[in-house]
Amino acid sequence: AQSVTQPDIHITVSEGASLELRCNYSYGATPYLFWYVQSPGQGLQLLLKYFSGDTLVQGIKGFEAEFKRSQSSFNLRKPSVHWSDAAEYFCAVGARSNTGKLIFGQGTTLQVKP
Amino acid sequence: GAGVSQSPSNKVTEKGKDVELRCDPISGHTALYWYRQRLGQGLEFLIYFQGNSAPDKSGLPSDRFSAERTGESVSTLTIQRTQQEDSAVYLCASSLVPPDTQYFGPGTRLTVL
Repeated sequence: AQSVTQPDIHITVSEGASLELRCNYSYGATPYLFWYVQSPGQGLQLLLKYFSGDTLVQGIKGFEAEFKRSQSSFNLRKPSVHWSDAAEYFCAVGARSNTGKLIFGQGTTLQVKP
Repeated sequence: GAGVSQSPSNKVTEKGKDVELRCDPISGHTALYWYRQRLGQGLEFLIYFQGNSAPDKSGLPSDRFSAERTGESVSTLTIQRTQQEDSAVYLCASSLVPPDTQYFGPGTRLTVL
C-alpha cells in the first residue's frame, strides 16, 4: 500500500537559515509527488510537483525539491527562510492511475525564529 | 477566476444528527475530491468523482458517509448519525483531468458535540 512519512513533526529554524523538510514514500513504482503548504486559516497551496523528467523541481516562493528514486525520498528545500514561511507543509504521493487521489503525510510544522 | 468554495465554513452539530457539506469546484474542472483532516493529522482521501464515471468511494470510512455530484458541478458530502470521531476539517479539491494539480477549498470545520 502507498504511504508517506514525514519524519519531522515540528521544525524550528532561524530567519535566513536554510531549510530541508524530509519526505519518504512507499510505492511500487514511481509515483507523482507533491508538496503543499497550509498557512493558518488558509487552504492548501501547491508548492511544487514532480511527474517525470528532471529530478530537481523548482516551485513557488523559492522552494525546490529533489526526487531520489534510490532513497524513495522527495525532500523540500529552501536556501533562506523568511518569517512568512511559517506554516504546515505536507508531502503527498499520487498513483499513476486515472484517479489522481493523493496520499498525504502527517505534515511538518515549520516555526521561524526572528 | 474563482477558486474552490465550500460551505458552511463551520458547522457545529449534536451527536446523532445528519450534516450536509457543500463544495463548488472550479468551473471546467472534471475531477472532484473530498478529503478529511483530523486535528494534527494529514489529509485522508474520502471519495473521488470524474465526469460521469462511477465515483471512487474507497476512502469512505463507513456507510454513514455518502457523497453526490451532479455532472461537473456542485458536490455534497453527507454524514448521517454523526459521531464525535467525525469532528474534523473536510476539504474539497478539484482538478482538470487527473493527475493534474488539485486545487483545494478552504474547508468546512465540523464539530460534533
